[in-house]
Amino acid sequence: NAGVTQTPKFQVLKTGQSMTLQCAQDMNHEYMSWYRQDPGMGLRLIHYSVGAGITDQGEVPNGYNVSRSTTEDFPLRLLSAAPSQTSVYFCASSYMQANTGELFFGEGSRLTVL
Amino acid sequence: AQSVTQLDSQVPVFEEAPVELRCNYSSSVSVYLFWYVQYPNQGLQLLLKYLSGSTLVKGINGFEAEFNKSQTSFHLRKPSVHISDTAEYFCAVTGNQFYFGTGTSLTVIP
Repeated sequence: NAGVTQTPKFQVLKTGQSMTLQCAQDMNHEYMSWYRQDPGMGLRLIHYSVGAGITDQGEVPNGYNVSRSTTEDFPLRLLSAAPSQTSVYFCASSYMQANTGELFFGEGSRLTVL
Repeated sequence: AQSVTQLDSQVPVFEEAPVELRCNYSSSVSVYLFWYVQYPNQGLQLLLKYLSGSTLVKGINGFEAEFNKSQTSFHLRKPSVHISDTAEYFCAVTGNQFYFGTGTSLTVIP
């Protein structure tokens, strides 16, 4: 049971480049989400999904796109990277949409935008 | 709307001493409260959670937290810390989403 798997673990981009952070979970969780972690700011929600075909914006969605074609996968796309997007990104999933359950986190993807 | 305030950004404590990490929340509705721990270069993992019932909640690794509705607090405690407890600790409250605090860095000094 792999849990939540994120790839890549590290990435360096130049301003204006695009990339996709991959997230996959094998727990059949309906709820999946993306957070960014910055020093002194905790975790901020970027986008989330409550099931295949359903996505919505979180606290800081600008500059990011998501899609949810399957229950297992929830990729995060940066269409034109900016230095302000330098951060550590975490994907998390949960069985219960009502958020009384536990959030399971991936190990994170560290992104640097030059 | 829900929000969480972690009052201490850094807490140094000597090994085998007790520790308390403070968390206050604001919410206009009933809440569920969580503490997560993040070890260096890892994702977050659940320490404990309060959904209902007893206000004293016990978690993994000897940690416990007490839900205090009148003071809107959910402080995390451990009677005797170990070097391996050095980590970042996050308090979270849920409404329609998880809302995380800014974290408290616990450093255990040998």
